[in-house]
Amino acid sequence: DTGVSQDPRHKITKRGQNVTFRCDPISEHNRLYWYRQTLGQGPEFLTYFQNEAQLEKSRLLSDRFSAERPKGSFSTLEIQRTEQGDSAMYLCASSFSMETQYFGPGTRLLVL
Amino acid sequence: QKEVEQNSGPLSVPEGAIASLNCTYSDRGSQSFFWYRQYSGKSPELIMSIYSNGDKEDGRFTAQLNKASQYVSLLIRDSQPSDSATYLCAVKGTNFGNEKLTFGTGTRLTIIP
Repeated sequence: DTGVSQDPRHKITKRGQNVTFRCDPISEHNRLYWYRQTLGQGPEFLTYFQNEAQLEKSRLLSDRFSAERPKGSFSTLEIQRTEQGDSAMYLCASSFSMETQYFGPGTRLLVL
Repeated sequence: QKEVEQNSGPLSVPEGAIASLNCTYSDRGSQSFFWYRQYSGKSPELIMSIYSNGDKEDGRFTAQLNKASQYVSLLIRDSQPSDSATYLCAVKGTNFGNEKLTFGTGTRLTIIP
């Protein structure tokens, strides 16, 4: 499978715990994006990387959220001290240069 | 005013008919426009991209763009039950380096057999 992959696909955690999600982009795609989607809404932009550089962060990305792409390949998104409001689908997308973004299957997070 | 607006639906269309989905956007300088299809519980899947005024056809799908009216539409001809999904309109920012997609809330389409 040469598409965007995400792991885990589902995560249930208790409020206050930390969680980390991983995204592997399409090979040779230099741009990687994170979005969050809640029920009945479209995806909302969180942050994006060009290679290993994080170029933009949304105001939605509070101090509890951190994202990395250390070698310009896979990326991780960590949420510290999770809250019930963090429950959502976390989507990763990748693109080559400024071309079309292709989405991975998403990680569904439920915070109890 | 929302940046990207879509009628949330649901929109019900008989099988074999034409489904018409509409989207308006607020940033007049936007250059890139996308339609994604999303099945329940799944991630968005690209259907069409359009960058210039006019029509762009791909199989049963036609995207239409009118920058003067800040309006994008998607037509689905010969609608099939498998077309039942939520259709998301997305717009890319205008500035170089502004790579994010801004999505509408989506229109839920149901094709009635």
